[in-house]
Amino acid sequence: EAQVTQNPRYLITVTGKKLTVTCSQNMNHEYMSWYRQDPGLGLRQIYYSMNVEVTDKGDVPEGYKVSRKEKRNFPLILESPSPNQTSLYFCASSMTVSNQPQHFGDGTRLSIL
Amino acid sequence: AQSVAQPEDQVNVAEGNPLTVKCTYSVSGNPYLFWYVQYPNRGLQFLLKYITGDNLVKGSYGFEAEFNKSQTSFHLKKPSALVSDSALYFCAVRDSGSARQLTFGSGTQLTVLP
Repeated sequence: EAQVTQNPRYLITVTGKKLTVTCSQNMNHEYMSWYRQDPGLGLRQIYYSMNVEVTDKGDVPEGYKVSRKEKRNFPLILESPSPNQTSLYFCASSMTVSNQPQHFGDGTRLSIL
Repeated sequence: AQSVAQPEDQVNVAEGNPLTVKCTYSVSGNPYLFWYVQYPNRGLQFLLKYITGDNLVKGSYGFEAEFNKSQTSFHLKKPSALVSDSALYFCAVRDSGSARQLTFGSGTQLTVLP
């Protein structure tokens, strides 16, 4: 089954404790991205990757890091999480960036205390 | 710059009635337009897209959307709503002539009343 898998689905942690949210897709997609969803703001892109070893900032990259060492994986790293990063996070992938629909994971709800 | 607006946070409609979820956009070039649906505790699911061609686009679950270039709109429609259509709907746009990524609207919560 074609899917985007995120882990963990839920996480409660404390300020400053480094965390990683993993994302993996099994569709051989080139393009992957991370979004955060906040009430009234829709989805805002954090980082994206056009292909292996190619990443770039989205609209709200501050406080986040990503890497793309393999085509299927695109982890999101919060090196020193802060309460304003409490949000619902989605990973997505598509064959290309241009006009293809994106496939989304089921989301990761992060709470930073 | 590219942007998208969903003017209604909430839309309520009775089961069996037609539904419309509004979306307007702004791009410099030609738009690529998408509708996604989000059910509770799930990621977004693709419904339909407009890239070029026929202004009326048909998608999944009986949904359709009409691209109107003069009004810069891409409203989502369904002739007869089902209770199971209740969900959060997102419109998204990308300027075909830009390197920018997809921009999402703020979402519209659709509630279909039995």
